[in-house]
Order: sequence, then structure tokens, then C-alpha cells
Amino acid sequence: EIVLTQSPATLSVSPGERATLSCRASQSVSRNLAWFQQKPGQAPRLLIYGVSTRATGVPARFSGSGSETDFTLTISSLQSEDFAVYYCQQYNNWPPETFGQGTKVEIK
Amino acid sequence: EVQLLQSGPEVKKPGESLRISCEASGYTFTRNWINWVRQMPGKGLEWMGRIDPTDSYTNYSPSLQGHVTLSVDKSINTAYLQWNNLKASDTAMYFCARTHTSGWVDFWGQGTLVTVSS
Repeated sequence: EIVLTQSPATLSVSPGERATLSCRASQSVSRNLAWFQQKPGQAPRLLIYGVSTRATGVPARFSGSGSETDFTLTISSLQSEDFAVYYCQQYNNWPPETFGQGTKVEIK
Repeated sequence: EVQLLQSGPEVKKPGESLRISCEASGYTFTRNWINWVRQMPGKGLEWMGRIDPTDSYTNYSPSLQGHVTLSVDKSINTAYLQWNNLKASDTAMYFCARTHTSGWVDFWGQGTLVTVSS
């Protein structure tokens, strides 16, 4: 089973600042990695797939990068609606299609 | 518009059986796998398994295999998650989610809250 480790667990950022979230895989997942955003009481929402492709309707301030085992989600200028929990997920080796444990982005 | 509409919240006792549903619309049901994802209170997302609506072929997470059953009814574009012996530790929010034909999960249901308590 591939383990995804996200860091940090919590990120405190001021509105307008940049946020950088990390996801590290225990073995290569090639480019089969996605990022999701989840707000309280809501279902997750797809942000990024294939490491760096934004899903339909996702603002350009969200970007993804990386390959093999090390991946990054960057939010270039945080807006109030971006404060949420972010999960990475690999879909390269399954079952299971593992998720990271999440990074909570909170207002500083 | 792709939509996954899940059944409503459930309250059950340990040892009881339960089946929750996920009705798909806005696309051809048999073209995409359906996943189930568990989120225990205050915790992260856990992939449980997925089913191919074409032939009901399933993959389960090793940690959950044998405790839950996935099924579909193609005639009504609906996927199901079933337990035969609920435990208090099954208390969680359960999401269904569609797999895009190229492999990633793209659309999610709104979630079904299952509470198991004596």
C-alpha cells in the first residue's frame, strides 16, 4: 500500500499570502496524483489531477507540481474561501487508492 | 450536469444491517467506476473500494474487505454500500465518488451520515 504523507498538518496563512502544501509518497506514483479541497460540512472538491492540471472552474491561483514521490500544491494568494482542508490522493497503485491525512489551511 | 445523489442519514444499532445508495445522473452510468470513501468524525478521507457498474467488478481496501459489500443496479443508475453487521466504529460520513475514465476521482456525492449506537 502506498502511504501519502502531507505536511504540514496545519498551515496558518494571512489572506493574500502564498501557501505551499506538500505531499510525499512512499513509492513512485508517476503523475497519478490529485488534490482535493474540503470545507466543513461539505463533500471534497477536485482541484488538480495529473499532478498539475486544474479541474474545471478551479481558479488559476491554484497550481500543482512534482513527480514520482514529491508533490506540491501552491495557492498563490489566499482568498477567504480557500481556508479549508486539502488532501492529496494517488491513483497509480490500487487497491487502495490512498489519501494523505490532510493539511488544514487556517487564517493567521 | 453530473450529479451523485446519496440517501439520507441513518441511525442504527450495533449488529444491524444497512444499505445506503448513490444515484447517478447526467452521464452514462456504466462508463465510470463508483468509489466509496469513509470519513470518520473529525478525521481524514479513507478510500473503501470501488465498483465497475458494467459488470459489478469490485476492488476493496484490504482493511475493509469482508466487512462491506458494494453493488449496483444498472436499471436505476444506482450504486450501493452495504453492511450486514454494523459496529459502533462504522459511525462516519460516507461519500460516493465517480472515477473519471482516465483514473482520477472527479465528482462526489453530498455524503450520507451513518451513526451506529446502542
